[in-house]
Amino acid sequence: DAGVIQSPRHEVTEMGQEVTLRCKPISGHDYLFWYRQTMMRGLELLIYFNNNVPIDDSGMPEDRFSAKMPNASFSTLKIQPSEPRDSAVYFCASSLGAGEKLFFGSGTQLSVL
Amino acid sequence: GENVEQHPSTLSVQEGDSAVIKCTYSDSASNYFPWYKQELGKGPQLIIDIRSNVGEKKDQRIAVTLNKTAKHFSLHITETQPEDSAVYFCAPQGSARQLTFGSGTQLTVLP
Repeated sequence: DAGVIQSPRHEVTEMGQEVTLRCKPISGHDYLFWYRQTMMRGLELLIYFNNNVPIDDSGMPEDRFSAKMPNASFSTLKIQPSEPRDSAVYFCASSLGAGEKLFFGSGTQLSVL
Repeated sequence: GENVEQHPSTLSVQEGDSAVIKCTYSDSASNYFPWYKQELGKGPQLIIDIRSNVGEKKDQRIAVTLNKTAKHFSLHITETQPEDSAVYFCAPQGSARQLTFGSGTQLTVLP
């Protein structure tokens, strides 16, 4: 398996634009997580899915953020409209079960100007 | 929710010396205790984990020890090498059944 695949690797956009981050989890993994990493706040869990269903989105900072998982092999994290404070590295991770080993993607470096 | 404290935030050691990183957690229901290593430009990667029914686990130069009474667990790296230089995160699993990541420790192994 190729591991968790995220795209794009880097994204530079202007404030107010819509940003869509994409993730393909490892085949057979039932859980998918979106994390955000910044120097100030470290690694924060934004939302996670179990069998394509959002379970906990309490980490989503505000209504500008939304996440979907239309099928077992694809998820998106959307920011609309984007703001400079959204600049961070966004990671997608997947696991076989709750509390099991997390496999992380390489991340998307987002810069909002 | 789970409160996690990780110390130290930075650690420099000479190549060949040992390194120890400590993680303190608050949720007494925590039962899974992993350590992740993050290299520059990459996502975190699990290096070792332990469950609450075990006090210590070792994998070559890496070991994790758990003290459930005191609610802390530690990462031990022996015979450190330059490739051990990275950021290390503890991530205990609390009653919410999800991992809470510590703030990270930047380990630098000096040649």
